[in-house]
Amino acid sequence: AQTVTQSQPEMSVQEAETVTLSCTYDTSENNYYLFWYKQPPSRQMILVIRQEAYKQQNATENRFSVNFQKAAKSFSLKISDSQLGDTAMYFCAFMRYNNNDMRFGAGTRLTVKP
Amino acid sequence: NAGVTQTPKFQVLKTGQSMTLQCAQDMNHEYMSWYRQDPGMGLRLIHYSVGAGITDQGEVPNGYNVSRSTTEDFPLRLLSAAPSQTSVYFCASSQAAWGYGYTFGSGTRLTVV
Repeated sequence: AQTVTQSQPEMSVQEAETVTLSCTYDTSENNYYLFWYKQPPSRQMILVIRQEAYKQQNATENRFSVNFQKAAKSFSLKISDSQLGDTAMYFCAFMRYNNNDMRFGAGTRLTVKP
Repeated sequence: NAGVTQTPKFQVLKTGQSMTLQCAQDMNHEYMSWYRQDPGMGLRLIHYSVGAGITDQGEVPNGYNVSRSTTEDFPLRLLSAAPSQTSVYFCASSQAAWGYGYTFGSGTRLTVV
């Protein structure tokens, strides 16, 4: 079974600075998908960014980018120019290539301070 | 677009009671699933469905039943509620094509006393 580990239960960052959230995963698969989801206090789960394992290029969505290291099974999220609205729980998730079953890490609570 | 709609948003049950959490999506997604979210454990898969009439178990299926009679609806039934089922429950859906990620409902906070 695939496992997803987020080793930072809580993090904080000053507004306008950059922060990196860590995620590692364990799998024997070669093709798969990785995701970062944001959960603000409203509880809604919001897709931030996705990465296809067979693509070497790191995904980017505006201020959000990932550092995907396939050999190391690492998938970190970098948030640039942090904003107060980025305060949320962030979940890393893994999905096998031929299966819609998504597995989540335990989450990192990020607080952006003014 | 309504997306994924879950009802109710909050519920308190007594131990031993039964109830159904409703989930409906209007995006014609074939894949639907139920997760529970507990502090420090992320989201864990309860049951999922790859289409009408097809369901399967996830990581933590005990104490829950599901059925999928239509593409739109995927209710989750608690047969005899236990305090261990106190959690936040999320319904999610996605296209049949893999790797697109899920669209989530807004969640149901369930407390079993």
